[in-house]
Amino acid sequence: EIVLTQSPGTLSLSPGERGTLSCRASQRVNTNLAWYQHKPGQAPRLLIYGASTRAAGIPDRFSGSGSGTDFTLTISRLEPDDFAVYYCQQSGSSVYTFGQGTKLEIK
Amino acid sequence: QVQLQESGPGLVKPSQTLSLTCTVSDGPISSGGYYWSWIRQHPGKGLEWIGYIYYSGNTHYNPSLGGRLTISVDTSKNQFSLKLDSVTAADTAVYYCARRHGRGYFDSWGQGTLVTVSS
Repeated sequence: EIVLTQSPGTLSLSPGERGTLSCRASQRVNTNLAWYQHKPGQAPRLLIYGASTRAAGIPDRFSGSGSGTDFTLTISRLEPDDFAVYYCQQSGSSVYTFGQGTKLEIK
Repeated sequence: QVQLQESGPGLVKPSQTLSLTCTVSDGPISSGGYYWSWIRQHPGKGLEWIGYIYYSGNTHYNPSLGGRLTISVDTSKNQFSLKLDSVTAADTAVYYCARRHGRGYFDSWGQGTLVTVSS
């Protein structure tokens, strides 16, 4: 099973700042990586797929990069609605796995 | 955009079977290229992929659930279902149904339903 390790566990930032979230895979997944935003009581929301392609309706403040084992989600200018938990997910192997999440909180 | 909604009991006794249904609306479950999936989140933990089914009935399960899992589809009702046998407290979680794109990511999710395993 491919393990995804996200860092940091918690990121404290202020609106307007830039947020950088990391996801490292224990084995290569090429670009078979997606990012999701999850708020309490809501359905997770797909942000990025294929490591760098924004999903429909996702603002261009969100960008993804990386391939192989190291991936980054960048939120260029944080807005109050962006504070949530973010998960990465790989589909590079037949058993899909998620990272443990990064909580983005307001500083 | 397709909509998904989970339904089923919120409380299941240990050793019994957990049964959930996902109703898909605003799109046919038989549309090709998508796989209908279950994902769960244990309290305070991350997300765990459970398995998926294609409208034809082909399935793929997470091996961690052993032989306890069955996912089925009813195209006439535009629904798919999850059955998890011999549950324990470790199966207490919020269960989500989701649509998996052919490229492996989940592009539509239900709101989730909490299932508690307790006597």
